[in-house]
Amino acid sequence: AQSVSQHNHHVILSEAASLELGCNYSYGGTVNLFWYVQYPGQHLQLLLKYFSGDPLVKGIKGFEAEFIKSKFSFNLRKPSVQWSDTAEYFCAVNPASSNTGKLIFGQGTTLQVKP
Amino acid sequence: KAGVTQTPRYLIKTRGQQVTLSCSPISGHRSVSWYQQTPGQGLQFLFEYFSETQRNKGNFPGRFSGRQFSNSRSEMNVSTLELGDSALYLCASSKEMAYNSPLHFGNGTRLTVT
Repeated sequence: AQSVSQHNHHVILSEAASLELGCNYSYGGTVNLFWYVQYPGQHLQLLLKYFSGDPLVKGIKGFEAEFIKSKFSFNLRKPSVQWSDTAEYFCAVNPASSNTGKLIFGQGTTLQVKP
Repeated sequence: KAGVTQTPRYLIKTRGQQVTLSCSPISGHRSVSWYQQTPGQGLQFLFEYFSETQRNKGNFPGRFSGRQFSNSRSEMNVSTLELGDSALYLCASSKEMAYNSPLHFGNGTRLTVT
C-alpha cells in the first residue's frame, strides 16, 4: 500500500537553528508532493508543492524542499527557524497517475521553536 | 476571499446516532475532499467530489457517505455512530480536479461520540 513516512515526530529547536524534516514515500510512479503546515489553532495550509521541473522548490516563509526521486524523499528545510514556525508539519503525496485528488499524508511532525 | 467554511465547528453525539457535516468551498472551487484526522491514524482520505460526482473514496465503511450539490457545497453523513468515529473532520476545496491544484482546508468539525 502507498504510504508516507515522516521520520521525526517531535522536533525542538532554538531560534535561528536550521531545520530539516524528513519525508519518504512508497510509490514507484510519478508523484505530486506537498508540505502542509498547521499553526496552533489554525487550519492546514499549503507550504509548498512539487509537480514537476526543478526538484528544489521554494515555498512560503523561507521554506524549501528537495525532491530526490532515487531516494523517494521530499525533505523540508529552512536555514533559520523563528518562534513563529512552531506548528505541525505534514508531508503528503498524490500519485500523478491516479487522476484524483486523494492525498496520502504522513503522520506529521510537531516543531517547537524555543525563543 | 472567504475560505472553506465548515459547520458546525463542534458536535457531540451518542453512539448509534447519525450526523451530517457541511462544507462550503471557496467561491469558484469545484472540487471538495473530506479527511478524517485522529491522533492515532493521522489524516485519512474519506471522499473526493467534483461536479457533483464522487471521484474517489477512501477505505471507510459504508456508514460514511457524502454528496456534493450543484453549487459545489458538500455534506458528509455518518450513520450509526461508533466511539471510534470521534475525530476532526476536515473539508478541503480546490479549483479543479484536486490532483492538479493544491487543497485549501477548512477549520474542521470536531465530532465527539459518547
